[in-house]
Amino acid sequence: GAVVSQHPSWVICKSGTSVKIECRSLDFQATTMFWYRQFPKQSLMLMATSNEGSKATYEQGVEKDKFLINHASLTLSTLTVTSAHPEDSSFYICSALGGRALTYEQYFGPGTRLTVT
Amino acid sequence: QQQVKQSPQSLIVQKGGISIINCAYENTAFDYFPWYQQFPGKGPALLIAIRPDVSEKKEGRFTISFNKSAKQFSLHIMDSQPGDSATYFCAASWNQKVTFGIGTKLQVIP
Repeated sequence: GAVVSQHPSWVICKSGTSVKIECRSLDFQATTMFWYRQFPKQSLMLMATSNEGSKATYEQGVEKDKFLINHASLTLSTLTVTSAHPEDSSFYICSALGGRALTYEQYFGPGTRLTVT
Repeated sequence: QQQVKQSPQSLIVQKGGISIINCAYENTAFDYFPWYQQFPGKGPALLIAIRPDVSEKKEGRFTISFNKSAKQFSLHIMDSQPGDSATYFCAASWNQKVTFGIGTKLQVIP
């Protein structure tokens, strides 16, 4: 149980285009999902917290107009990187908070490798 | 500001040996301390976790030791195996947000 999937697993896009990444909780409902980015050989940095039915909360320094987050259902959150540039190339990972109240378990997706050319 | 400090950044251990990774935190509001294992190109997977009211937790070959007064915690991997070779992240959580350490790349050599 507690499986989180991401799609696509890797994507290459041209500079200036937008790309959407999906994060799904497959066997549980997640009112809260998180989006992280990870540069090579570095730690995970939280970008934003996504709550179902409400606006995402962005961490300091993360451009909310560039990284659009939508959490339209209890099993799906999407991250859209708008007008992507080479510096946005990174490994994007989502996580979903386990379904029971008071749980602190975050279940992570397999990640999406974004390369902007 | 690095809220969770992790060391060492890399570790080489012989098969059968003990791998030890140390972490320290500053924010006393943290109330949950998970460890994650990450293989290249994959997302992190929860390995073991502890709450601050417990000083030690053991699951199989993995043990967390927690020192609340020193604000330190560590992961011990007993009988380390080549399959344990991965990057390990300690983390600290408060209000559902997780702050990660910098990671330790563990290599277990035969």
